[in-house]
Amino acid sequence: AQSVTQPDIHITVSEGASLELRCNYSYGATPYLFWYVQSPGQGLQLLLKYFSGDTLVQGIKGFEAEFKRSQSSFNLRKPSVHWSDAAEYFCAVGALEYGNKLVFGAGTILRVKS
Amino acid sequence: DTGVSQDPRHKITKRGQNVTFRCDPISEHNRLYWYRQTLGQGPEFLTYFQNEAQLEKSRLLSDRFSAERPKGSFSTLEIQRTEQGDSAMYLCASSAVPKNIQYFGAGTRLSVL
Repeated sequence: AQSVTQPDIHITVSEGASLELRCNYSYGATPYLFWYVQSPGQGLQLLLKYFSGDTLVQGIKGFEAEFKRSQSSFNLRKPSVHWSDAAEYFCAVGALEYGNKLVFGAGTILRVKS
Repeated sequence: DTGVSQDPRHKITKRGQNVTFRCDPISEHNRLYWYRQTLGQGPEFLTYFQNEAQLEKSRLLSDRFSAERPKGSFSTLEIQRTEQGDSAMYLCASSAVPKNIQYFGAGTRLSVL
């Protein structure tokens, strides 16, 4: 069965500090990988995506993620966090073979302290 | 490009009532997805359409749930005889084949009293 694990439910970082959010997946097909961000009461905004090629992908708002096939991971990083980054972050995986429906992790809530 | 639009944003209903939600996808996106998100969880897939054809339904979609996309444009999700367990955020997403990058609407939050 397909699954996505985000091991950290909550993370608190200081403004200006670096950030890494972890994501591991288990999938029976060549995965497409995504990170979305959700502010309270809102829908999901796409931060970045990986389909193939360069395993380090750049997204919006200064975020990047690295796909590591050997570790089945797709961790999200940002070198310097801003207070406006406080939100919930979801990792998701899809595949052409499964109709591209997305399987999401449970999310990581990011708190930023000033 | 106005993005994915969902209506209503919030719905409060009494147990046993029927509710219907609407989703307007990004124009010319031929795929449309419905997901459900409960508190503290990630979205879970419910169903998806390619044009007007409903291609897959999750086991989460009980027979009280029905979704349509009659002309391959907007979609509706109806829940009959609502139960308290149906309280959740219902998210719609659309995409264009083949890349299938899904863009989400703001969601409809359903509260069943």
